[in-house]
Amino acid sequence: EAQVTQNPRYLITVTGKKLTVTCSQNMNHEYMSWYRQDPGLGLRQIYYSMNVEVTDKGDVPEGYKVSRKEKRNFPLILESPSPNQTSLYFCASSLSRQGDQPQHFGDGTRLSIL
Amino acid sequence: AQSVTQPDIHITVSEGASLELRCNYSYGATPYLFWYVQSPGQGLQLLLKYFSGDTLVQGIKGFEAEFKRSQSSFNLRKPSVHWSDAAEYFCAVGVPFRGYNKLIFGAGTRLAVHP
Repeated sequence: EAQVTQNPRYLITVTGKKLTVTCSQNMNHEYMSWYRQDPGLGLRQIYYSMNVEVTDKGDVPEGYKVSRKEKRNFPLILESPSPNQTSLYFCASSLSRQGDQPQHFGDGTRLSIL
Repeated sequence: AQSVTQPDIHITVSEGASLELRCNYSYGATPYLFWYVQSPGQGLQLLLKYFSGDTLVQGIKGFEAEFKRSQSSFNLRKPSVHWSDAAEYFCAVGVPFRGYNKLIFGAGTRLAVHP
């Protein structure tokens, strides 16, 4: 089954404790992206990747890192999480960077930073 | 700057009633247009998309949307709402950005359905 898998689905942690949210897709998609969803703001892009070893900042990259060492994986790293990073996070992938193919979303990761 | 506006934060309709969710965008040309639905605890699922051609597009689950260039709008409609349609709906536009088409989302409209 074609899917984007995120782990963990839920995490409660404390300020400053490094964490990684994994994202994996099995559709051989080139393009992957991370979003955060906050009430009243919709989804905002954190980072994106157009291919292996090619990543770039989105609209709200501060406090986050990503890597794309393999085509299928695109982990999101919070080196020193802070409470303002409490949010719902989505990973997405797409066959094409041109926008003519829809993005496939994972089921989300709810992070609470205390 | 490009933006997407969904004027209604919450909408409540009765089951069987018709539905229209509004979406307006700000962009100089005609972007790619999308509607996504998010059910509780799940990711976003594509309902429909518009790239070009016929301005009335049909999607899954009985939804349709109409692109109106003069109004920069892409409103989502359904003639008869089912209780299972209760969810959050996001309008999005795809605009060229650094060699790819970037998705810009609206803030979402949460739909409640009364029996």
